[in-house]
Order: sequence, then C-alpha cells, then structure tokens
Amino acid sequence: AQTVTQSQPEMSVQEAETVTLSCTYDTSENNYYLFWYKQPPSRQMILVIRQEAYKQQNATENRFSVNFQKAAKSFSLKISDSQLGDTAMYFCAFIPFQGAQKLVFGQGTRLTINP
Amino acid sequence: EPEVTQTPSHQVTQMGQEVILRCVPISNHLYFYWYRQILGQKVEFLVSFYNNEISEKSEIFDDQFSVERPDGSNFTLKIRSTKLEDSAMYFCANSQNAPYEQYFGPGTRLTVT
Repeated sequence: AQTVTQSQPEMSVQEAETVTLSCTYDTSENNYYLFWYKQPPSRQMILVIRQEAYKQQNATENRFSVNFQKAAKSFSLKISDSQLGDTAMYFCAFIPFQGAQKLVFGQGTRLTINP
Repeated sequence: EPEVTQTPSHQVTQMGQEVILRCVPISNHLYFYWYRQILGQKVEFLVSFYNNEISEKSEIFDDQFSVERPDGSNFTLKIRSTKLEDSAMYFCANSQNAPYEQYFGPGTRLTVT
C-alpha cells in the first residue's frame, strides 16, 4: 500500500528554535515525488518544499530544508529559526510513482511556535 | 503571483440537495484536481482531470460526483444528492505541466445539514 505516516500529531517549540517534523512513506517504486504542505488556521494548503526521489541532494527553501533518506523511506522537514507565522498543520505528501496523478497525504503534525 | 480561487468559501445545504463547487485555476495550468478534508482528518484525493476528461479517481468519487470545465476556464465539482458525510473542506488544485507540483485553492467548506 502507498501510505504516508507522520508519527508526531503535535509539536511545540519556542520562537527562533529549530524543529524537525518526521515523515515516512511506503512505496515499491523508484521514481516518486515528495512534498511538505503547510495549512495555517485559514486552512489554505501552501506548498512548502518538494523533493524528487531521483535527486540525492536535499531540497532547501530559505529556512526550510528536508532530510531525504531514500533507503529508509524517510522525508523529514527541518524549520530553522522558527517564527510565529510557522504555526500551522504540516502535511507530508507524495505522488507515489511516475505518471501518478494523486497526492497521498499523511495525517499531519500540528506545529505551534510559542513566543 | 497567480492564485487558484474557489467559490463559495462556505456552502450550507440540506441533505439530498445538489451543490456545485467552483474553482478558477491558474491560467496556464493543464491538470486539475479535487481533494477533500473532513474536519480533523487528512486530505483525501477525489479526482484528477486533464484534457477534458477524468484521468484518475478515488473510491470516494462515486456516481454522486461529477466534474467538468463548462467554459474552458472554471473547473467545477458537482455533488448530485448530498449526504451528511459529504460535509468537509473541498480543495481544488492544479499544476502546469507535470502532475507533481500542485497548487491549492483556499477551499470551500461544505456543511450538509
């Protein structure tokens, strides 16, 4: 089954700290695409970062970076210098194989940044 | 920066009624999707649409659901006879070329009473 698991339902850190959100997935395919989406209280889904499975280099977008471990099927998100505006639900998702159409989402991690 | 828009933002309907949810995609995007999120649960794929036809659909997307692009720009999701369990946030998404980078609209909250 092609599934995504986020084992941390909730996390809380102080502003300016670094936080890492974990994600594991299951697929037997070699080519697939991984994503992190942010959902603030407005419930808009915002793409944070993406990673192609064929790329060994970890993706980075400003304060956001990933640790992609293909053999372990792990795709964690690191947020550096966290800000109050980072408070949101974070969903890990993937498109499980080349040519697939749908995103498969994890259950989400509720992240709270405290002042 | 171009955005996906959805209307209405909130729809309240009675069980058994038909609803149409509308999405205006980013103009040069070719792949269109609908997802739903029941409150407190994860986002679930409903359907993908490309070249004026459904390219993939989930088990949720039964005969009560349909999609179309009636005027070549708007992308709609119709639920023919709503049930209580259809209450959810419905997201439209689209992507430009490859299916892999999907941009979401703000969602329509559907409440079935």
